[in-house]
Amino acid sequence: AAGVIQSPRHLIKEKRETATLKCYPIPRHDTVYWYQQGPGQDPQFLISFYEKMQSDKGSIPDRFSAQQFSDYHSELNMSSLELGDSALYFCASSLFSGTGLLEEYSGANVLTFGAGSRLTVL
Amino acid sequence: DAKTTQPNSMESNEEEPVHLPCNHSTISGTDYIHWYRQLPSQGPEYVIHGLTSNVNNRMASLAIAEDRKSSTLILHRATLRDAAVYYCILRDEKSNFGNEKLTFGTGTRLTIIP
Repeated sequence: AAGVIQSPRHLIKEKRETATLKCYPIPRHDTVYWYQQGPGQDPQFLISFYEKMQSDKGSIPDRFSAQQFSDYHSELNMSSLELGDSALYFCASSLFSGTGLLEEYSGANVLTFGAGSRLTVL
Repeated sequence: DAKTTQPNSMESNEEEPVHLPCNHSTISGTDYIHWYRQLPSQGPEYVIHGLTSNVNNRMASLAIAEDRKSSTLILHRATLRDAAVYYCILRDEKSNFGNEKLTFGTGTRLTIIP
């Protein structure tokens, strides 16, 4: 079965440079999530998109931005990189199983994660 | 989201059952109990979830207390490949589309002894 694809798997940048991470969700999944995991830390939610619109926002720095494109892939752009941005960045996708009406909920939805992109800032 | 409490670490012998506890005393009636695990250098992986009744799948079983204030993930026969950090996460059933993120707390690091 197709999984969540992330690229690049490894990226090395200098301070103050810019980095872009890409995420290709499972086909037909409509929601993408980005997480950051620092060394020895638990994954922290950054941002999510549903049907190409930002749907939720976590502790994402202002230097970071993201979007979801018409083919549902997503990109996380990080500018003015700092040493503290060195981390694993995970993308996950899910399919909302409700009807899309506000009355329909699905807390049971499962997230499928990619293998991650390791960013090292020197 | 309601908070969960798990032991920081556990050890188990290979080929023996493992019971991973999770306390969630402030769980609401609409919270699903999700379990994910993260193997070394990999992304988190779904294990199992449930609402009120015990659940079984090919990976594990989930036993939910009658008052739902605690649950236990059961690995029936641990292998070395089960060594991972296991996260117990509550997710509100009333999660709107696009707002279904998982909030990871501090999970349990499971070590399997050969």
